[in-house]
Amino acid sequence: NAGVTQTPKFRVLKTGQSMTLLCAQDMNHEYMYWYRQDPGMGLRLIHYSVGEGTTAKGEVPDGYNVSRLKKQNFLLGLESAAPSQTSVYFCASKLAGGPLDEQFFGPGTRLTVL
Amino acid sequence: AQSVAQPEDQVNVAEGNPLTVKCTYSVSGNPYLFWYVQYPNRGLQFLLKYITGDNLVKGSYGFEAEFNKSQTSFHLKKPSALVSDSALYFCAVPSGGYQKVTFGIGTKLQVIP
Repeated sequence: NAGVTQTPKFRVLKTGQSMTLLCAQDMNHEYMYWYRQDPGMGLRLIHYSVGEGTTAKGEVPDGYNVSRLKKQNFLLGLESAAPSQTSVYFCASKLAGGPLDEQFFGPGTRLTVL
Repeated sequence: AQSVAQPEDQVNVAEGNPLTVKCTYSVSGNPYLFWYVQYPNRGLQFLLKYITGDNLVKGSYGFEAEFNKSQTSFHLKKPSALVSDSALYFCAVPSGGYQKVTFGIGTKLQVIP
């Protein structure tokens, strides 16, 4: 099992450009998440999904869109990148809604917006 | 709302000494608590979780956590620190009807050789 994978690992964008980050999991998990991690701010939830075809906003959703067309994939899109979106992005998945289900994280995508 | 707090930004400990990384919680209902570790340039990894009734929880890499209901704490401990334990440690609690997870701000553990 590969677990949770993220593509790409690194990316540099210019302000205004768009891109899509791909997260894939092979554990048949229902729930998937996108976080951003910035120094001194911990992990902040951008969007999440509790099943194929569903998405929901987290605490910092502005400037991002997501889609979960297939159960194993969760895409994060930046339509018009801004320097404030420079961050490390992590995808995570969880079996389902049980309180004792732990999250499994991908290796992260380091994004720089110039 | 479910929340956790990590009062220390950084903890320094000498190799071989016991270590403690602190976490306090505020939850309604049964507490479900987690610890995760993040090594440099990696994603978070699950370390251990609290299951109701076990006040001392054992996890990966020799770590354990002590649940204290009266002090609303869930401190992470290890009897003898290794340099390789140097990492960022996050306390976490399920939230949003268990659909989401709320993480603490993280504590950087530095083990000094």
